Amino acid sequence: AQSVSQHNHHVILSEAASLELGCNYSYGGTVNLFWYVQYPGQHLQLLLKYFSGDPLVKGIKGFEAEFIKSKFSFNLRKPSVQWSDTAEYFCAVNKAAGNKLTFGGGTRVLVKP
Amino acid sequence: EAGVAQSPRYKIIEKRQSVAFWCNPISGHATLYWYQQILGQGPKLLIQFQNNGVVDDSQLPKDRFSAERLKGVDSTLKIQPAKLEDSAVYLCASSPGLNYGYTFGSGTRLTVV
Repeated sequence: AQSVSQHNHHVILSEAASLELGCNYSYGGTVNLFWYVQYPGQHLQLLLKYFSGDPLVKGIKGFEAEFIKSKFSFNLRKPSVQWSDTAEYFCAVNKAAGNKLTFGGGTRVLVKP
Repeated sequence: EAGVAQSPRYKIIEKRQSVAFWCNPISGHATLYWYQQILGQGPKLLIQFQNNGVVDDSQLPKDRFSAERLKGVDSTLKIQPAKLEDSAVYLCASSPGLNYGYTFGSGTRLTVV
């Protein structure tokens, strides 16, 4: 069965700092990869997704993620965070031409003004 | 485009009582998912429907949980009887098909006391 690991449970940083959140998955086949964000009191929203092609994916709000197949990783990055990026971030995976999303445990990010 | 609608937003019940949640997916989305998100964890798939048929219910505790999507549109998830450990946010999501991202609803926060 596939699984997703997010290394950091909590991250605290100041505005303008750079952010990188780790995500590793375990599945040997072709996968689709996603990052979702959940702002306080709101529903899950898609930040970006990778299906195929350029492994560097750009999403909304200045976020990007890089798929490194050899490392089974899909790390999320943002060069300069804002207070409004305070949220919980979830990495998720499904098999290509699939089906259910498997989520990581999430990383809570707190950006101090 | 209207989003995924869920109701109620909040529910508090006593253990051993029953409860039902409702979801109306985005119009035309054939695939509907119910996820359970326990506080501090990532969402976990309970059941996946394709139109009105069940695709995956391997993680649904069938002794107490049931779900249906009778006309291939809206869906109901029921818990009977509820346990304390069922306290969670129940998320509904829909997708137009394979290799698409999901759209999540706002969820129903269930507290079992």
